[in-house]
Amino acid sequence: GEKVEQHESTLSVREGDSAVINCTYTDTASSYFPWYKQEAGKSLHFVIDIRSNVDRKQSQRLIVLLDKKAKRFSLHITATQPEDSAIYFCAASLNTGNYKYVFGAGTRLKVIA
Amino acid sequence: EAAVTQSPRNKVAVTGGKVTLSCNQTNNHNNMYWYRQDTGHGLRLIHYSYGAGSTEKGDIPDGYKASRPSQENFSLILELATPSQTSVYFCASGGQYEQYFGPGTRLTVL
Repeated sequence: GEKVEQHESTLSVREGDSAVINCTYTDTASSYFPWYKQEAGKSLHFVIDIRSNVDRKQSQRLIVLLDKKAKRFSLHITATQPEDSAIYFCAASLNTGNYKYVFGAGTRLKVIA
Repeated sequence: EAAVTQSPRNKVAVTGGKVTLSCNQTNNHNNMYWYRQDTGHGLRLIHYSYGAGSTEKGDIPDGYKASRPSQENFSLILELATPSQTSVYFCASGGQYEQYFGPGTRLTVL
């Protein structure tokens, strides 16, 4: 079955710098790649996604890149702010039938003021 | 207003006891999911459902059962709880793309 590897378990950046979180997946049939944010002690909420028909998507300070050949996708957070500090999860989905996700293990991002 | 709610929010159970975790959604989504979150593993799918009356095994179903009596409600049942099932459990509902998560239930099995 699908496996998703999230390469950075922790990441520290200075406020205003960019943060990059990288994920790889194994199933070439995966076609939908969402990202979720989990603040301390809270639940997960959706931040951005990308579908396999595009290779780049931007929403304000968030950019997602998808390289289907390498089976790799990444989240770029530009001009980081202290409130970006959280755990970020990537996921992959076949986007058919049950639309279930396989999640990466999470990246704890700390933005240092 | 929260669209996915879970109860209880915290639960302490004894080994061998029965535990039922409940989830309710007002999104009118057909699909619902139960995950557990453990450090180093991210979220892992236990059971999911396509709609009322259906339950399917996820990636780690052993030791768990699920029940979907209605569109809105999805329960996770631990018939014989074990300490290895100590975790934080999240319910989610979803359509084709985004999933919406509940607040989570922290379960401790002693």
